[in-house]
Amino acid sequence: GAGVSQSPSNKVTEKGKDVELRCDPISGHTALYWYRQSLGQGLEFLIYFQGNSAPDKSGLPSDRFSAERTGGSVSTLTIQRTQQEDSAVYLCASSLLAGGQTGELFFGEGSRLTVL
Amino acid sequence: AQSVTQLGSHVSVSEGALVLLRCNYSSSVPPYLFWYVQYPNQGLQLLLKYTSAATLVKGINGFEAEFKKSETSFHLTKPSAHMSDAAEYFCAVSGTGANNLFFGTGTRLTVIP
Repeated sequence: GAGVSQSPSNKVTEKGKDVELRCDPISGHTALYWYRQSLGQGLEFLIYFQGNSAPDKSGLPSDRFSAERTGGSVSTLTIQRTQQEDSAVYLCASSLLAGGQTGELFFGEGSRLTVL
Repeated sequence: AQSVTQLGSHVSVSEGALVLLRCNYSSSVPPYLFWYVQYPNQGLQLLLKYTSAATLVKGINGFEAEFKKSETSFHLTKPSAHMSDAAEYFCAVSGTGANNLFFGTGTRLTVIP
């Protein structure tokens, strides 16, 4: 596709269940980011993938959060045993190069997660 | 380490009035600075960026920002607000060679007809 695609766009789950959020980056973009956007909190960096290098996981808030990127393309963010405080919009972004150097991150529309 | 502070979570201006959204940064290395805009139910898109060239940066939709090292600021301005400018605006910073952008908490701009 032309842009970053995320699915599902909305997810409602019960506390304690696991969820998977998917991100399809722009073709050819080597860098992929996950951010969390909570009301009044701005964007919180979660994890960064660059090519085949080991990911930067420094932003993951707990060991319930994990992410993988298969074949350098599609990424899945997994949240295990969801808690109500996990409710947020999860944004994926991709960049042709390391985004911090160019600032040109291309964002998807996000996956809104609601944990009841 | 890098961080940004956006002063004012909500800003309201009349249509045709000056828009001023404030951003101050902290960086241990020469910073790169960015403004992103998020329209309702959409992802963020880059508005403009400063990467150590000209200190006055022009972006899309008539917005511009000026890098002021002495004030550690990168405020966003537009001379005349349009209704279509209503959105949330995020300031972000990274450092030379850094991979990550660090975003502020955002400023929601309301334009009053």
